[in-house]
Amino acid sequence: GNSVTQMEGPVTLSEEAFLTINCTYTATGYPSLFWYVQYPGEGLQLLLKATKADDKGSNKGFEATYRKETTSFHLEKGSVQVSDSAVYFCALSTGGTSYGKLTFGQGTILTVHP
Amino acid sequence: GAGVSQSPSNKVTEKGKDVELRCDPISGHTALYWYRQSLGQGLEFLIYFQGNSAPDKSGLPSDRFSAERTGGSVSTLTIQRTQQEDSAVYLCASSSSGWDEQFFGPGTRLTVL
Repeated sequence: GNSVTQMEGPVTLSEEAFLTINCTYTATGYPSLFWYVQYPGEGLQLLLKATKADDKGSNKGFEATYRKETTSFHLEKGSVQVSDSAVYFCALSTGGTSYGKLTFGQGTILTVHP
Repeated sequence: GAGVSQSPSNKVTEKGKDVELRCDPISGHTALYWYRQSLGQGLEFLIYFQGNSAPDKSGLPSDRFSAERTGGSVSTLTIQRTQQEDSAVYLCASSSSGWDEQFFGPGTRLTVL
């Protein structure tokens, strides 16, 4: 079956530090890949996505590249801010069906200090 | 509405009681999903609706769990004879079609004592 494994947290960084959160997946077919973010007290929201191999998703300074050869979709940001403190979830949905049921990783808590 | 809404935001119940959780999707969204977020299991898919039909119920953990959707809009997730392991945050998401971006509601935190 499908599964997503992401870097265990929590991750604590100082403002302006470089961020990497690792994510690898196992899937049948050709999945679409996503990063979702949950800010404190808010609902889950889509951060970025990539739908095919070598695609790069980007948003709010975050980037992730769909690497089929390593089955990975690592999240990166060059300079984090305190406002990036949140829980980050890597997720996938598989093709070949008519809907996008999401399979999530366990989530990584990121705390950024001033 | 402006986004997906869920009610109640918090629910505390006693073991063995039935509970109903409600989801109001974004107007016009035909696809609706229920997920569960718990400490032990992370975020898990429960059920998917397209209109009023549920072509995928594969994530419902037991026959104590059921869901329906009426008028292609509001959905209700019902848990009968609640158990302590049902304690979790139940999330609803909707999308304009099966493959479009899913928009999540704030969730219902269920605590079973």
